[in-house]
Amino acid sequence: DARVTQTPRDKVTEMGQEVTMRCQPILGHNTVFWYRQTMMQGLELLAYFRNRAPLDDSGMPKDRFSAEMPDATLATLKIQPSEPRDSAVYFCASGLGTGNEQFFGPGTRLTVL
Amino acid sequence: GENVEQHPSTLSVQEGDSAVIKCTYSDSASNYFPWYKQELGKRPQLIIDIRSNVGEKKDQRIAVTLNKTAKHFSLHITETQPEDSAVYFCAASNGFKTIFGAGTRLFVKA
Repeated sequence: DARVTQTPRDKVTEMGQEVTMRCQPILGHNTVFWYRQTMMQGLELLAYFRNRAPLDDSGMPKDRFSAEMPDATLATLKIQPSEPRDSAVYFCASGLGTGNEQFFGPGTRLTVL
Repeated sequence: GENVEQHPSTLSVQEGDSAVIKCTYSDSASNYFPWYKQELGKRPQLIIDIRSNVGEKKDQRIAVTLNKTAKHFSLHITETQPEDSAVYFCAASNGFKTIFGAGTRLFVKA
């Protein structure tokens, strides 16, 4: 049963530190999404890639966030410098295009003190 | 911009009753409408989806209806059980972008 994996599962850091979150999409999926979820905001789309190319990162604060896909098996989301308001659960999801089911990873719970 | 509105934000029902969650979308090019269930502390998972060429789809106790003319779709859960308690998200996709609703927190009281 193929699943999306994410590391780390939990991250506690101090304000100003760099945070890197990693995601391994399901083999064969060509589309990868990054979402942020807070108690009040639901699922907020940060960025997504198709065939490793960024298609839309309009939901991402550009000054501190960056997303990349170095290869088909790895997607990364970086925050530098981190701020307390970045505290949230970050989900990665993968799928076959955007008009089909998205398979979510377990999420990374980020706490910035 | 395009958006998806979801109502209600919170829904409390008695075990055995039905629950209905409604969504409206603005992008008339949307043609795929999934529903995800997220239990506390877990990842969202697809429970049912519908495409624009179909008006209704059922899977055991859950069903989804779509009215493309009015641009709204609904999730129906019959004979609710305590394990149905979760947050439910609707979404609309135009094949290029998927937009999620804000979620409905469903409580099923035993």
